[in-house]
Amino acid sequence: EAQVTQNPRYLITVTGKKLTVTCSQNMNHEYMSWYRQDPGLGLRQIYYSMNVEVTDKGDVPEGYKVSRKEKRNFPLILESPSPNQTSLYFCATRDSNTGELFFGEGSRLTVL
Amino acid sequence: QKEVEQDPGPLSVPEGAIVSLNCTYSNSAFQYFMWYRQYSRKGPELLMYTYSSGNKEDGRFTAQVDKSSKYISLFIRDSQPSDSATYLCAMSRPYNTDKLIFGTGTRLQVFP
Repeated sequence: EAQVTQNPRYLITVTGKKLTVTCSQNMNHEYMSWYRQDPGLGLRQIYYSMNVEVTDKGDVPEGYKVSRKEKRNFPLILESPSPNQTSLYFCATRDSNTGELFFGEGSRLTVL
Repeated sequence: QKEVEQDPGPLSVPEGAIVSLNCTYSNSAFQYFMWYRQYSRKGPELLMYTYSSGNKEDGRFTAQVDKSSKYISLFIRDSQPSDSATYLCAMSRPYNTDKLIFGTGTRLQVFP
């Protein structure tokens, strides 16, 4: 089954404590992306990656890092989380033939 | 002004009703238009995809694009309780499909 898997699904942490949200896909898609979803603001792109070792900033990259060392994984790193990073995060891959985005089930992060 | 505007709802309709969901946009360069459906606690999934102007029909769903008015619509005929979800419009420019701009989503509830 085609899947985008995110972990953890739920996390409560404190300001300044580094955390990583993992994303793994089994569809062999080259393109992967991270979004955050906030009420009234919708889905906003944080970072995206066109292929291994190729990453670029989206619309709201401040406070986040990513890496793409292998095709299937695209972790999102919060080096020093702050309360304004409390949000629902989605990882997505894209089918290069159709342009369709495939989303994970989301990771709800709360930073106290 | 946001590039894409979407009424957040909620929109509550009885089963069997025709539903109209809409987005307006400001950037005339947008050519690719999509509708994603997001169930509670799930990631968005692609529902409809259209290029440039015109209509596209898929079962009970019809997507309509009016580029002259910068207005897109999603119609749902014979709505069902299983259609209850948040509907997100999304759009992108040609040659820049890695940068999708999402609306904030309209929450739809179809009651029996």
